[in-house]
Parts: sequence; C-alpha cells; structure tokens
Amino acid sequence: EADIYQTPRYLVIGTGKKITLECSQTMGHDKMYWYQQDPGMELHLIHYSYGVNSTEKGDLSSESTVSRIRTEHFPLTLESARPSHTSQYLCASSPGAARRDYGYTFGSGTRLTVV
Amino acid sequence: GDSVTQMEGPVTLSEEAFLTINCTYTATGYPSLFWYVQYPGEGLQLLLKATKADDKGSNKGFEATYRKETTSFHLEKGSVQVSDSAVYFCALNSGGSNYKLTFGKGTLLTVNP
Repeated sequence: EADIYQTPRYLVIGTGKKITLECSQTMGHDKMYWYQQDPGMELHLIHYSYGVNSTEKGDLSSESTVSRIRTEHFPLTLESARPSHTSQYLCASSPGAARRDYGYTFGSGTRLTVV
Repeated sequence: GDSVTQMEGPVTLSEEAFLTINCTYTATGYPSLFWYVQYPGEGLQLLLKATKADDKGSNKGFEATYRKETTSFHLEKGSVQVSDSAVYFCALNSGGSNYKLTFGKGTLLTVNP
C-alpha cells in the first residue's frame, strides 16, 4: 500500500519541453527528498525540503527546481528538458522528528526519457 | 562525514545459494543502519534496520547484525530465490538536525533458477 505517490510512472518527452514530476504523500511527513538514479543504480540527492516553504539543493547539481507550498506535495520541474535529463527520479519522505531510527518511505519513481 | 561502502556487484547466484552482501560504514556517533531493496522498475523499500550495536534486523529471511567493532552491517540470506533478484542498498542515519540518510552505491543481485 503506497503512501507516497509519483506521477507519471513513465514519461517520454521532446527536447525543450517543460515538465513537472509530481510527488504526494499522505503520511503528514515534514521532510521530503528527490533523488536522481543513474543507470549504475547509485542514488544522487538533488533536492530536499524540511517543511512548507523550505527547499534546499542536494549533493548533485541539477537544473531542476522544486517547490513546497503544501506539506503533502513536492513537485519537481524542468523548464527545458534535455537528453542529459534522462534518468529515474525517486521521491521520498520521512517524519519531521530528527530521530536517527527513522528511514525514508519511497515512491515508485518516474522514469523520464528526453528525446 | 558519513559514508557507506558496499560490496560491488553484480552478484549472480543460483537458487537456494547462500547470500552475503558486505556493508561497512563510517559515521559520527551511533547511527542507525538500514538495508533497502529495489525491485525492477520500482522505488526502494525498507528491508530491515538496526538501531544499536549488536541488534539484528530481519525480514523475509534476510538478516543483518549491527557490528560496532567492525563498523559493519552485512546482509545475509540462507537460501535465495529468483524473486530476490533486485538491487540492495545499505544506508545509515546519524540523526541530528540535518536529517539525511547516507546510501551506499547499491549491489545488483541476480538469482538464476
């Protein structure tokens, strides 16, 4: 039973198009994250948010942007898609308390292909 | 800073073989340790976790023991199945205000019938 939802699951889009990847969670989690996963499987944190109106860039530089105007919603936008943006994008969330025994809950991912 | 080192894959086993995927870590303080699994075309799912030294996490026949003296959290399963074919990620959480998990690079496991 998924408590964090990503849409679309798959997207093929042309170069130069603007796209928004959706991520929503129903758990009331304060913290949300976006990861880019390369074909070699490694996860790269590109954006995170610790609450409404709070967003930060992650460890990997990305041309995408994010917003957090509602607790449950954390969309990622690419203003002008390029083939180099082709990747798997994973959204995750965790509870607000800074406890070390908490892990993340992940969505099913969006596989983006830019042609 | 925190880091996680996982055994490099891919790992290919026959059904019913014994599995070990090594994971060692570097962290400040006393982190919690996690194993996540990613099945083909899916996101990551929490497989098991351990929050203090000598704790053993277990789930679906998989086990891992938090070894503080060797800073390790190796994943084991006595008899793998084809359905265990997936990517496995080791991760740690040191806690604190800047809460982020630190992940290893992932290990691809393929189990053949």
